[in-house]
Amino acid sequence: DAGVIQSPRHEVTEMGQEVTLRCKPISGHNSLFWYRQTMMRGLELLIYFNNNVPIDDSGMPEDRFSAKMPNASFSTLKIQPSEPRDSAVYFCASSLGQKETQYFGPGTRLLVL
Amino acid sequence: AQSVSQHNHHVILSEAASLELGCNYSYGGTVNLFWYVQYPGQHLQLLLKYFSGDPLVKGIKGFEAEFIKSKFSFNLRKPSVQWSDTAEYFCAVNAPNTDKLIFGTGTRLQVFP
Repeated sequence: DAGVIQSPRHEVTEMGQEVTLRCKPISGHNSLFWYRQTMMRGLELLIYFNNNVPIDDSGMPEDRFSAKMPNASFSTLKIQPSEPRDSAVYFCASSLGQKETQYFGPGTRLLVL
Repeated sequence: AQSVSQHNHHVILSEAASLELGCNYSYGGTVNLFWYVQYPGQHLQLLLKYFSGDPLVKGIKGFEAEFIKSKFSFNLRKPSVQWSDTAEYFCAVNAPNTDKLIFGTGTRLQVFP
């Protein structure tokens, strides 16, 4: 299995630009999670989906952040407009169920200038 | 507040030394417990997990962890560390009243040859 796939691996953009992060979960997994990791705040859960439906988005920092999962094999996390404080590593993870082991992707390292 | 606590933020050891990293949680009821490792510049990988059964859990790379329900603890151990164990270690708990995986703040382990 290829594991969780994320793209791009690195993204450098200017403040105000739209950023779209992509995730392909492991085939057969029905739960998908988006995390953000920074030195200051550690690993934070932003949102998670179960069977393509958003279950809890209470971790999404602001309205500038949105996430979609149009089908079982694809999810996006969008930041519009981006700000320098959004700079972080964004991880996607998937699991067979909401309480099962989560498998993490390689992450997207985002730098907003 | 309910949480996951990792008391050791930074641990420095010489090769062959024994390791124990603490993890305590404050959730009651049945919990699922995990230890993840993040090598420098990489994504989180599962080291070991406890769902039920034998409270002494063996993981990959010689790691083990012991679930002590009375102490709400799930400490990670390794009898003899190697330089390649240099990484950040995260304890995580699936709390009974939520589907989220709650992560501790992580422990940075540095092993010197």
